[in-house]
Formats: sequence, structure tokens, C-alpha cells
Amino acid sequence: AQSVAQPEDQVNVAEGNPLTVKCTYSVSGNPYLFWYVQYPNRGLQFLLKYITGDNLVKGSYGFEAEFNKSQTSSHLKKPSALVSDSALYFCAVRDLTSGTYKYIFGTGTRLKVLA
Amino acid sequence: DAGVIQSPRHEVTEMGQEVTLRCKPISGHDYLFWYRQTMMRGLELLIYFNNNVPIDDSGMPEDRFSAKMPNASFSTLKIQPSEPRDSAVYFCASSFAPGQGAPSDTQYFGPGTRLTVL
Repeated sequence: AQSVAQPEDQVNVAEGNPLTVKCTYSVSGNPYLFWYVQYPNRGLQFLLKYITGDNLVKGSYGFEAEFNKSQTSSHLKKPSALVSDSALYFCAVRDLTSGTYKYIFGTGTRLKVLA
Repeated sequence: DAGVIQSPRHEVTEMGQEVTLRCKPISGHDYLFWYRQTMMRGLELLIYFNNNVPIDDSGMPEDRFSAKMPNASFSTLKIQPSEPRDSAVYFCASSFAPGQGAPSDTQYFGPGTRLTVL
């Protein structure tokens, strides 16, 4: 079965420190990979996506992500966390072999940046 | 563009009542998605449309749920009759066709409707 896992329900990091949010997936073929962020009482917002090529992708708000297809994992990173980065972060995949346009979302990781 | 618009933002109703959630996608987008978010189940895709036609409704939990898209600028998700376990935040999202638009394959989410069924 296709799945996306975010092993950490919550990540706490001090302001100014680097942050990492982890994701693993189990999807056939070569899926597209995405990271989204959800601020309180808001919809999800696109951060970045990976299709192919360079395994390090830069996205919005200073975030970047590493993608490791051999380990079917992705790490969302930011060199210096801000309190305003506190939010819920989702990893998602789109399975290109399914013939549909469905995204599979992880359960989300809550990032808390402490001042 | 104002982004994806959803109404109402909050809905409180009693069990057994009909609930209708509304969505206006971003102009020009070909795809429209309805999701449900709960603490227990996370974000679930309920149904999606391509050019106003339902493509996959396998995520619709029961016959009590129905969705329509009468035109490119409007969609509804209806629950009749509603039950307390339907309480959740319902999101609508829209996107261009795969490989089109910039950035392509990107879904734009509305602010959501928080539904509480008493």
C-alpha cells in the first residue's frame, strides 16, 4: 500500500538553530514529492517540490529539502529557525503510475520554535 | 487573484441537519479537490474534479456525502444527514492540470470550513 510517514509528531527547536523535519514514503515508481506548511487556522501552503534532478531543492521562506530516492525519504531543512516558522508541516507524494492526480499526505509534524 | 475561497468559515449544526460547504477555485484552474482534516485521521482526500467532472470519489466516506461542480468557478460538498463524527475541517484546493502552470502540480488550498456537528 502506498503511504507517507512523518515519524515525528512534534519537533522543538530554539530560535536561530537549524531545523529538520523528516519524511519517508512508500510509493511505486518515481513520484513527485512535496512539502506544505499549515499555519494556525489557515489552509496548506506550498513550500517546494521535487521531481527529478538535483537532490537539494530550495523553496519558499528560506526552506530547502533534501530528497533521497534510494532511501525514499526527504528532510525539510532551514539553517536558522524563526519563531514565525512554528506551524504544521506536511510531506506529500503524487504517484505518477496510478493514473490519477491524487496526493498522499503524511500526518504532519508540528514544529515549535522557541524564543 | 483572491485565492481559493470557501464559505462558511465556521458551521455549527445539529445532528441530522443538512450541511452545504462551498468553494470557489482559483480562476483558470482545471482541478478541484475536497479534503477533510481531523486529528485522528489527518488529511484525507474525499473527491476531486477535472474540468467540472468528478474523477475519483473513492474517499467519500458514505452516501451521506455528495459533491458537485456545476461550473468552473463553484463547487459544493453536501452532508445529509450530518453526524457528530463528521466534525472536522474541510478544505477545498485547486490546481492547474499536471505539468501546466507555474509551479505545476501545485495545489492551492482555501482557508477551510470548520464544521461542528452537535
